[in-house]
Amino acid sequence: DAMVIQNPRYQVTQFGKPVTLSCSQTLNHNVMYWYQQKSSQAPKLLFHYYDKDFNNEADTPDNFQSRRPNTSFCFLDIRSPGLGDAAMYLCATGPPTSNEQFFGPGTRLTVL
Amino acid sequence: QKEVEQNSGPLSVPEGAIASLNCTYSDRGSQSFFWYRQYSGKSPELIMFIYSNGDKEDGRFTAQLNKASQYVSLLIRDSQPSDSATYLCAVNFLGDSSYKLIFGSGTRLLVRP
Repeated sequence: DAMVIQNPRYQVTQFGKPVTLSCSQTLNHNVMYWYQQKSSQAPKLLFHYYDKDFNNEADTPDNFQSRRPNTSFCFLDIRSPGLGDAAMYLCATGPPTSNEQFFGPGTRLTVL
Repeated sequence: QKEVEQNSGPLSVPEGAIASLNCTYSDRGSQSFFWYRQYSGKSPELIMFIYSNGDKEDGRFTAQLNKASQYVSLLIRDSQPSDSATYLCAVNFLGDSSYKLIFGSGTRLLVRP
């Protein structure tokens, strides 16, 4: 089945220790997104890619970086996690012909 | 300021009833509208989308769009306990990348057996 996969599903890190979250897709979608979602809040877009074209949201902290080495994979790097970065991180993909988005299962990040 | 507003709920309905979920948005020029369902601890799942004024039906779900009044709603007929979840409204705002959606914070629906 075509799908969006996120690894790991749960990540525990220490305050200030860099962490990388990964996302892969078998849908062959051109667009990939990273969202941050905190409890009872809306998913907040951090970045999105159209192929290699990177679009950073104006209010995304510099602490968050992203890489997309190829169509299938996308990474979220958090350089120095703070307690406020504890959240669910959602990866989504979308086809170029519409703005539907399909989400992976998410990675829940805990910062100690 | 681009905003998508939803009542946080919970909206409680008995099994078999119609659940009506509402969403308002700040930009009259917005073009496309989406409803996602999110179970607790899980990721959002696309239910349906609507682009034109009026109603769009898909099984037990009906999306209604009124661009003049800047609201979109989701009706769930014959509600089941398995429909208990948070429903997120998402909007593509005019002037944004066509691939960008702004999400509301969702309405929690509780269907009582």
